[in-house]
Amino acid sequence: GENVEQHPSTLSVQEGDSAVIKCTYSDSASNYFPWYKQELGKGPQLIIDIRSNVGEKKDQRIAVTLNKTAKHFSLHITETQPEDSAVYFCAASGTGGFKTIFGAGTRLFVKA
Amino acid sequence: SAVISQKPSRDICQRGTSLTIQCQVDSQVTMMFWYRQQPGQSLTLIATANQGSEATYESGFVIDKFPISRPNLTFSTLTVSNMSPEDSSIYLCSVVISSGANVLTFGAGSRLTVL
Repeated sequence: GENVEQHPSTLSVQEGDSAVIKCTYSDSASNYFPWYKQELGKGPQLIIDIRSNVGEKKDQRIAVTLNKTAKHFSLHITETQPEDSAVYFCAASGTGGFKTIFGAGTRLFVKA
Repeated sequence: SAVISQKPSRDICQRGTSLTIQCQVDSQVTMMFWYRQQPGQSLTLIATANQGSEATYESGFVIDKFPISRPNLTFSTLTVSNMSPEDSSIYLCSVVISSGANVLTFGAGSRLTVL
């Protein structure tokens, strides 16, 4: 079955710096790759997603890239702010069902 | 997007007891799911809640331990039965609104601590 690996598990950056989180997936049939942000005491919230027919997508300070050949996708956060501090999960899912497999999560600390 | 309400938000339970978590959505949804998030861990799918029929369980999860109901398109319950400390987790209800997309929306979760 699908497996999603996520790195790093913890990331600490200075406010204003960029943060990059990387994921790999195993199932070549996966075609949808969402990223979720989970703040303390809350459920995960979708922040950006990308489908397999697109190589890159950007929304203000966040962007996601996808390399289908290498089965890699990454989240890029620029100009980080303290409110970006949270746990970020990458995920993958495919056609034929709605089962979504999540990465292990990255705890991001943005130091003011 | 859908608004999901989960109850209880947190509870402390005694070993051997059972607890039912409720998930109410403010609109009819295509799919409803229950996830478990153990402390400091990722999200693991327990089951898909099927409207009017038995839930579809993932490997490692069984109906006797996690009975699920979904009487209509906006409501589901998850029961954690005969609890042990290993069941201490956050349990999350999640929905897919549109059948044309796999976008999951999550509730705030129910944090259970089993003593």
